[in-house]
Formats: sequence, structure tokens, C-alpha cells
Amino acid sequence: IAGITQAPTSQILAAGRRMTLRCTQDMRHNAMYWYRQDLGLGLRLIHYSNTAGTTGKGEVPDGYSVSRANTDDFPLTLASAVPSQTSVYFCASSESASGRGEQFFGPGTRLTVL
Amino acid sequence: AQKVTQAQTEISVVEKEDVTLDCVYETRDTTYYLFWYKQPPSGELVFLIRRNSFDEQNEISGRYSWNFQKSTSSFNFTITASQVVDSAVYFCALSEAYYGGATNKLIFGTGTLLAVQP
Repeated sequence: IAGITQAPTSQILAAGRRMTLRCTQDMRHNAMYWYRQDLGLGLRLIHYSNTAGTTGKGEVPDGYSVSRANTDDFPLTLASAVPSQTSVYFCASSESASGRGEQFFGPGTRLTVL
Repeated sequence: AQKVTQAQTEISVVEKEDVTLDCVYETRDTTYYLFWYKQPPSGELVFLIRRNSFDEQNEISGRYSWNFQKSTSSFNFTITASQVVDSAVYFCALSEAYYGGATNKLIFGTGTLLAVQP
């Protein structure tokens, strides 16, 4: 593993189903983030974690939950998917939550909710 | 409130032309950071540059250059002698200094799609 990996690469999901998007980083970064990218809206922060064991809500958290049991993993769960959650999801990490460091992004997960 | 505006939705140029991508930001903080990311057709996000609010020096990296002007709250990106491989969506982003309890949240602009024609 080098950098950030996300799984699955893409998924088609029926509305109402539960889905977990996986994110793993091997850079020992303290901070991790989940963004969604929608056409015309850029990327918007869903949830974040400044360090293992802590999480926080971003700009668009409704319908999503996260956990940070260890440094490397930061899964994003959709408890009951809805069509408006159709999007491309990016996981990112940075060395710290200080603001000055760049964030490194995973390859993304393309999710379609029907 | 923080905001990043990229007014140019799409730009099309012919190879070897110079092109400037505009970015205007809003923030009330005196300490903040500005970034540019590139998203090629393959979809990944590639970090290009970071600039902090105390450093207004322009930066040049090969064919890329950035012009940061606090007086106009702008952080524009110029590609000189554009190439087909420069075709991508380019995002400008802003983050403010972390004050315990918050996070290094990146506020993205909506992106500019650059198409470089051969």
C-alpha cells in the first residue's frame, strides 16, 4: 500500500441499503477526511477526524457516520442510502489538523444510489 | 465566512497558449492557507501548491506559476505554453489555521475545467 486506498472503486446500491466505504492510509497521518464531489459544487467535507479516537462533522454530515478506531482506517457508513447520496467520495489525510499541510487524496469511490 | 470562487467554469485553449485560472477567496482570518489541486480525467486529486497568508511571493515551477495578491484576495494560476496533458479540472482551496476543536477543513472552489486542444 502506498498512500491512501479506497474500496470499492465503484458501487451501485439500492435505496435503503446500508453501505460502508473503506479508506486506509499508510502514511501515519493524524488527520483524515471524507469529501463528496458533485458536479458544479466542488468537494464538500462530510466528516473528519483530527486524530484516532475522535471524529467531527463537516459541512454535509447528514445521512453519514464515521469511526476512527486506529490511525490508518477511516470508514464512512451510509446507514440507509438515498439517491441524493449518489456522488464520488474521496478520502483524504494530512499529517496534522493544523491547516498548513496539504491533504493527500485517495482515488475516490463512485457511488450510485438507485 | 470562508468562500472560494472560481468564476471560470470552462476554458478552452490551443496547445502552446498561455492560460490563467482565476481564484478569489474570502476569509476573516489573518492566518490561512491556499492550495491548488489538479484533477485529470482519471479522477484522482493531485496537490500542486500551498501558499500561506504571510508569503505573497509569486512562485514558479516549470510551466506553472502562481500569483498571490492579498489586496485583491486572489490566488491565480498560470500555465505557460499549455500542453494537452494539462487538460484537467483545477481546484483552488482555502484552509484556516486550526484552533483546537476545529479541523484543517479545505474549502474548495467549484473548479475550472481546462481543455487544451492539440
